[in-house]
Amino acid sequence: DTEVTQTPKHLVMGMTNKKSLKCEQHMGHRAMYWYKQKAKKPPELMFVYSYEKLSINESVPSRFSPECPNSSLLNLHLHALQPEDSALYLCASSPGLQSSYEQYFGPGTRLTVT
Amino acid sequence: AQSVSQHNHHVILSEAASLELGCNYSYGGTVNLFWYVQYPGQHLQLLLKYFSGDPLVKGIKGFEAEFIKSKFSFNLRKPSVQWSDTAEYFCAVTGYGGATNKLIFGTGTLLAVQP
Repeated sequence: DTEVTQTPKHLVMGMTNKKSLKCEQHMGHRAMYWYKQKAKKPPELMFVYSYEKLSINESVPSRFSPECPNSSLLNLHLHALQPEDSALYLCASSPGLQSSYEQYFGPGTRLTVT
Repeated sequence: AQSVSQHNHHVILSEAASLELGCNYSYGGTVNLFWYVQYPGQHLQLLLKYFSGDPLVKGIKGFEAEFIKSKFSFNLRKPSVQWSDTAEYFCAVTGYGGATNKLIFGTGTLLAVQP
């Protein structure tokens, strides 16, 4: 199974809502990532987890809160978002943090903030 | 700072035409290089990658790429494109031997193949 799954596929939320994005992989990978992709732009790294510990936070605003409850799951908790946070949020995983490892991407959650 | 440039933002080709997409990177060290593809409505997937050894790398679906160190380039090629190759193509780089696996993507090239 070389699949990364993400739920929900689409999410519409108001600026005062709290919601969560979920990502799951069953490849035994120990590194997981969150990326943000705006329309017609490349993915931009937000967070990296390694062995369930936060390894990189790319200066992401605190209204985005990642969580890695176990080695297969990665969540992104959203609170008080702004309309400019509307984007495709991609999850990825890799066997580890070595730079030679391929990252496997999920299909993404398309988020709209109203 | 690390960066990746893709000069062709939008390419339109007819079926059976040859394809070459440019990719140049800026990085103060040895790199790992990747080409990812995003088909319409689908997730990003790896086409091919270069870490070391033979600079001509073959990937899936008949794609290949050549690493030219002196030019800081990693251009993607395919001798004869098909309609099903319509997609967005991203070149990406990580620092060789690094322990963060931070992928830096280029801005992408949107390829439209006309039947």
